[in-house]
Amino acid sequence: GNSVTQMEGPVTLSEEAFLTINCTYTATGYPSLFWYVQYPGEGLQLLLKATKADDKGSNKGFEATYRKETTSFHLEKGSVQVSDSAVYFCALTGNYNQGGKLIFGQGTELSVKP
Amino acid sequence: EADIYQTPRYLVIGTGKKITLECSQTMGHDKMYWYQQDPGMELHLIHYSYGVNSTEKGDLSSESTVSRIRTEHFPLTLESARPSHTSQYLCASRGGALTEAFFGQGTRLTVV
Repeated sequence: GNSVTQMEGPVTLSEEAFLTINCTYTATGYPSLFWYVQYPGEGLQLLLKATKADDKGSNKGFEATYRKETTSFHLEKGSVQVSDSAVYFCALTGNYNQGGKLIFGQGTELSVKP
Repeated sequence: EADIYQTPRYLVIGTGKKITLECSQTMGHDKMYWYQQDPGMELHLIHYSYGVNSTEKGDLSSESTVSRIRTEHFPLTLESARPSHTSQYLCASRGGALTEAFFGQGTRLTVV
């Protein structure tokens, strides 16, 4: 079935550094891809999404491009802030045999230091 | 702003108590989900529903039960809480097969 692999954390960066969090996937068909963010003590919030190959999702300075040829959806931000410290989850829609459930990666914790 | 709500946000209860975690959404979504999140952050699907009177067990075995009598309401019940049930529980809903899920703020449960 469909699956997601994220780079392991924690990732620690200084403020204004460039961020990349890698996400690769295995899928049949044409899933939608998502990045979610979870701030401490909160639920998950949708950060961005892409529904077809070559789509670029963007929000709050974060970007990710749906790359079917490399089965990747890496999250990037040019200049991180302390307020970006959170856990980031990559996800995709499951295939028919998985009941159409959302499949999540294991999460990557980001810590940004001033 | 997602219209999905969980109550309570925090709960500390004694072993053996029966509890119900509430989840409600006002978006008319058919699909609803319960996830258990461990301290290592990973999300484990424990229950889901594709509509009224439809409930299924998820990928992680759980001693909890759920019901879906109304579209907007998807409560989770533990008949006899144990310390091993201590965790964060997240409720989510979706409108379509390729759409994103909306999450509640979570319930952090501690069983002492």
